[in-house]
Amino acid sequence: SQTIHQWPATLVQPVGSPLSLECTVEGTSNPNLYWYRQAAGRGLQLLFYSVGIGQISSEVPQNLSASRPQDRQFILSSKKLLLSDSGFYLCAWGRGQARYGYTFGSGTRLTVV
Amino acid sequence: SQQGEEDPQALSIQEGENATMNCSYKTSINNLQWYRQNSGRGLVHLILIRSNEREKHSGRLRVTLDTSKKSSSLLITASRAADTASYFCATDTVTGANSKLTFGKGITLSVRP
Repeated sequence: SQTIHQWPATLVQPVGSPLSLECTVEGTSNPNLYWYRQAAGRGLQLLFYSVGIGQISSEVPQNLSASRPQDRQFILSSKKLLLSDSGFYLCAWGRGQARYGYTFGSGTRLTVV
Repeated sequence: SQQGEEDPQALSIQEGENATMNCSYKTSINNLQWYRQNSGRGLVHLILIRSNEREKHSGRLRVTLDTSKKSSSLLITASRAADTASYFCATDTVTGANSKLTFGKGITLSVRP
């Protein structure tokens, strides 16, 4: 069966520090991978998605970047965090045309102080 | 940008009652999906309805889709306290062979024991 792992679960980082969040998928190959951010009381905002190794599409201009060094690994990064980067970050995987829905990781609560 | 808009924003009902949640969207879709999120957790896929379907059932869930009105509803019958969670609709707007799910802001459902 397919599983998705996301870590860490919580993170408190000072302004200006770097960030690296990792997401890995098991039990499937060539998944579409997604990073979403959820601000308090708001819906999910799609940040990046990837349809293959090294292929990254950015949805919104921001202080973050994403990379996909391996088929089942998706990394969200920042060189210098801003206060506005605080939020709940969710990784998800799915198939083309989302026919079976997305499977989400358990999320990372990031607080920038 | 938000594609789906859920209504109401919050809903409080008694255990055993039915809960009806609505979602409206703006552009053509490939399918519409409903997700559930327990507090501080990732999203769980509940049900998917394709654009050529009008109604679908899964256990205590019933979802309808009216593409002429660009709206969907999710009905949870015989609600339980464990149904307390946030519910999101998400629309899949196909771009080639890929997909991107756009989420609404969610509905907070409270089921009183």
